[in-house]
Order: sequence, then C-alpha cells, then structure tokens
Amino acid sequence: AQSVAQPEDQVNVAEGNPLTVKCTYSVSGNPYLFWYVQYPNRGLQFLLKYITGDNLVKGSYGFEAEFNKSQTSFHLKKPSALVSDSALYFCAVRDSNDMRFGAGTRLTVKP
Amino acid sequence: NAGVTQTPKFQVLKTGQSMTLQCAQDMNHEYMSWYRQDPGMGLRLIHYSVGAGITDQGEVPNGYNVSRSTTEDFPLRLLSAAPSQTSVYFCASSRQYNSPLHFGNGTRLTVT
Repeated sequence: AQSVAQPEDQVNVAEGNPLTVKCTYSVSGNPYLFWYVQYPNRGLQFLLKYITGDNLVKGSYGFEAEFNKSQTSFHLKKPSALVSDSALYFCAVRDSNDMRFGAGTRLTVKP
Repeated sequence: NAGVTQTPKFQVLKTGQSMTLQCAQDMNHEYMSWYRQDPGMGLRLIHYSVGAGITDQGEVPNGYNVSRSTTEDFPLRLLSAAPSQTSVYFCASSRQYNSPLHFGNGTRLTVT
C-alpha cells in the first residue's frame, strides 16, 4: 500500500524566513502526491499536487513543493513565511480509492 | 457556492445510541468519502463511494454504515456509539480519482 510520513510533529519559523515542511513517501508505481492545510475548526484545504511532469510544483498562497524521486520526498516550501501560515499541514498520497494522509505537521510562524 | 456541507457541527452521544452524520455536496462529484481525524494519526478513511448506489469500506469501517442513493448525499450512520468513536469526522468529495479532495468543516462527536 502507498504511504507517506511526516517526520516532524512541529516546525517553528520566524516571519519572513523560508519554511520547509517535510514529507517522504512509499509507493509502488507513479505517485500522486498532495499537500493540504487545516486551519482551526475547519476542514482540510488543498494546496498543491504532483501527478507527473515538472518536479517543482507551485500551489496556493505562495507555497511550492519539490518532488525528489531518488530521495522519495515531497517537501513543502515557502520562500518567506507569514504569521497567517500557522496551521496544520498534511501530506497525502493517492492509493486506489483512498487518500492516505501523514500524521500532520504543526507549523508555527512567530512575528 | 456551498461545496461540501456537513451537519451537525457538534454532537454528544451516550454509549449505545445511534445517529446519522449528514453530508451533501453541490459540485456533482462522483467520489465521496468519510474520514475520522484523531490526534497524531492524521485522517483515516471509514467508507467511500465512487458513485450513486456504490459504496465500499475503507481502513476503519467497523461500527459505521453508509449509503449513496443520490450523487449529492452521503450520510454516515453510527449503529451503536462507543467511546472509541469520539473523534472529528470529515466528509470529502472529488471529481475523479487523481483530483484533490474538497472537505466539509467537520463534525466533532463525543461519546460518553
């Protein structure tokens, strides 16, 4: 079965600094990878996806993710963090009729 | 543009009670699913449907039933609530297999 892992429960960055939220995957065949964000008391919102093609994927709110096949990673990045980026971030992989989610990483951006 | 609508937002049940969590989407999506979110465990799939009249089990289906009589609606039934079913439940839909999921705002369920 396909799976993803998010090695960090918590990431803290200062406003204006670059941020990275890590994700590694384990799949057989071509991966369909996603990033979602969850704000308090809300459902998850789609940020970006990798299906095929360019390894650097751009998404909503200035986020991007880099697909690295040799390292089986799909890290989420943003060049300059905002306080409003503070939220819970989930990496996910499509597996048959299921979307398999990581445990989530809480991002805190401090002013 | 409502998207995915879940009701109720909050619910408290006693052990053994039954209830139905409602989910409706207005995007004409064929695929719908129910997840539960527990701390430190991400989201786990309970049941899913690839179209009206078709449902199947996900990773954690025990204690839950679903039906899909229309494209729009996908209710989740708890047959006999247990404290282990205390969780936040999310309904989601997508247009096709590799499309992103659209989520409702969740139902926070407490079973005492």
